This record gives sequence, structure tokens and C-alpha cells, in this order.
Amino acid sequence: QKEVEQNSGPLSVPEGAIASLNCTYSDRGSQSFFWYRQYSGKSPELIMFIYSNGDKEDGRFTAQLNKASQYVSLLIRDSQPSDSATYLCAVNGMDSSYKLIFGSGTRLLVRP
Amino acid sequence: DGGITQSPKYLFRKEGQNVTLSCEQNLNHDAMYWYRQDPGQGLRLIYYSQIVNDFQKGDIAEGYSVSREKKESFPLTVTSAQKNPTAFYLCAISRTMNTEAFFGQGTRLTVV
Repeated sequence: QKEVEQNSGPLSVPEGAIASLNCTYSDRGSQSFFWYRQYSGKSPELIMFIYSNGDKEDGRFTAQLNKASQYVSLLIRDSQPSDSATYLCAVNGMDSSYKLIFGSGTRLLVRP
Repeated sequence: DGGITQSPKYLFRKEGQNVTLSCEQNLNHDAMYWYRQDPGQGLRLIYYSQIVNDFQKGDIAEGYSVSREKKESFPLTVTSAQKNPTAFYLCAISRTMNTEAFFGQGTRLTVV
């Protein structure tokens, strides 16, 4: 089982819709959870991080964490074509010596 | 990006050559990391360092070497023992191991 799993996509949504990206992880001791956006040919850019169960909102982005179910999600409201990118979920925790472990990413396509 | 400088942006290596990728930071962050990304794949950890003069192997350390003689510098050498070095190499930094990480612009290495 992969440590951090994401659906590779592509996830295609129309402009203005809500895009929902999901990530599951295997290490129950995971403590920190991150979402990165990566445009083609560029390096990843941090967009959200969350440490506690529940929701965390920042502008059009909401991160949701459920430690009991071992999943973390990212919602993008009012999706724009410029949001089209690959979204990487990353997790770290004590069991992995706090190494940041990445999923393989979900490609999001926002149709104008 | 944000105080992290990777160089060069593009690098071409002949078969059997060692090459060194540079990563410098001016944010006084303790932790530094090297990741490798292959097309359509997530990030895989090569090496990481939490403090000066100390570093640990990641998941794919074979064929690579690093040093951390100064806090601000974490160079990666891709040796001739690395059989398939063509990839996008990303350096990242974080204040400590369990805080958010920020990436440099990356180095695209091609074997010719």
C-alpha cells in the first residue's frame, strides 16, 4: 500500500464549479498535512497546510482533515482555468521521522 | 523561490560523469531536502538534512551523495552509479522537519 494515495485524474470541472481533491494516507501517526499546486514544468507551490481535524479555509481554498478516516481533502471554490494544475498531497509524522511523503498528484482541468 | 536558489536550471550529463546540483537558502531554515520527480510521477525523497554536518538517506539514495557543511547549502551529486538520472530535481527547505516546506525552481537533468 502506498503511503499517500491520490487519484491521478484528470478531474475535469467547469469554470465556477467546486473542485474536490482527495488524499488518503496510511501512517496513523501522521501529524502535518500539506497541499501543493504544481504547474507543468514548474516546482510545487504550497497552497494549504492543516494540522488539526476539521476544516481550514483560505480564500477559495478549504482543506479538510479527518484523522480517524485517514483522509485529507482540498476544495477549490469558484474554480478558474488558472487553477488547472497538478495538486500534490504531502504528509509527515513521527513514524516517518517527519519526512515529507508525497502522493503522486491529481491533475485538475478547469474548462472555460 | 522565496530565498531558495537552485542552479543550474538545466543540466546535461554524459554517461559516466558525476554532476553536482546546487541548492542555497538564505532563510536560516534548519531542514533541507532533495527530491526527484519523473514525468507524471510524484516526488521521491533522495536525501534530507536536519542540521549542519548531518544528513539521512531517503527512499532512493542509491547513486546520489550530499553534504551539509554550511547551514545555507545542501549540494547534491549525481554519480555515475545512478543508472537512470534523467529527471527533475527539486530542493526544498523548512524551518524544522515537521513544518511546511518550500521548493526551489528545480534543476532538469538530462543524460546525453
